[in-house]
Amino acid sequence: GAGVSQSPSNKVTEKGKDVELRCDPISGHTALYWYRQSLGQGLEFLIYFQGNSAPDKSGLPSDRFSAERTGGSVSTLTIQRTQQEDSAVYLCASSLVGSSYEQYFGPGTRLTVT
Amino acid sequence: LAKTTQPISMDSYEGQEVNITCSHNNIATNDYITWYQQFPSQGPRFIIQGYKTKVTNEVASLFIPADRKSSTLSLPRVSLSDTAVYYCLVGAGYSTLTFGKGTMLLVSP
Repeated sequence: GAGVSQSPSNKVTEKGKDVELRCDPISGHTALYWYRQSLGQGLEFLIYFQGNSAPDKSGLPSDRFSAERTGGSVSTLTIQRTQQEDSAVYLCASSLVGSSYEQYFGPGTRLTVT
Repeated sequence: LAKTTQPISMDSYEGQEVNITCSHNNIATNDYITWYQQFPSQGPRFIIQGYKTKVTNEVASLFIPADRKSSTLSLPRVSLSDTAVYYCLVGAGYSTLTFGKGTMLLVSP
């Protein structure tokens, strides 16, 4: 069956520009997560959705980062006024209900800010 | 949130059994223990999950002592393709899971 998909797979942008990253979770999964991973580092939690609401936004690094989820399905992560330190792989995952259930990860979006 | 501690790296040879231990001293009563595997340029992949005692699947075994303050992921007869980063996580329900930096396992011929 279809897994988690993310688009674009790669994004190169100039410093100061806004970017939108998209995540399509597995159908029926109510929980959705965004993480980012810098080169050689572990996964850094960004935000977690349960349905369309985000009970945990604690990982968003600054107010330049925002995310929304509509219809309990697709989610977009928006980074405004990108900085070079935003360069990383952004990973999306979904799970059936909550975080104690198996999370299925997408292939990620590699963001490069020049 | 329960914090986990695991070795930064481990080395092994093909055919050996590898045991990676994770410490989680402040695990909560309803927390589960979950292990993920990540290959380069890929997202993590679920390996195994347990609550207590021992869990085994086709890929690995997970040993959890009675106090649940640690857990050990056991990979039988590793191959070169088992070279990856392994993450130990604890959590339950809707709590946020922290992946940390994981354990880099290098399997050599």
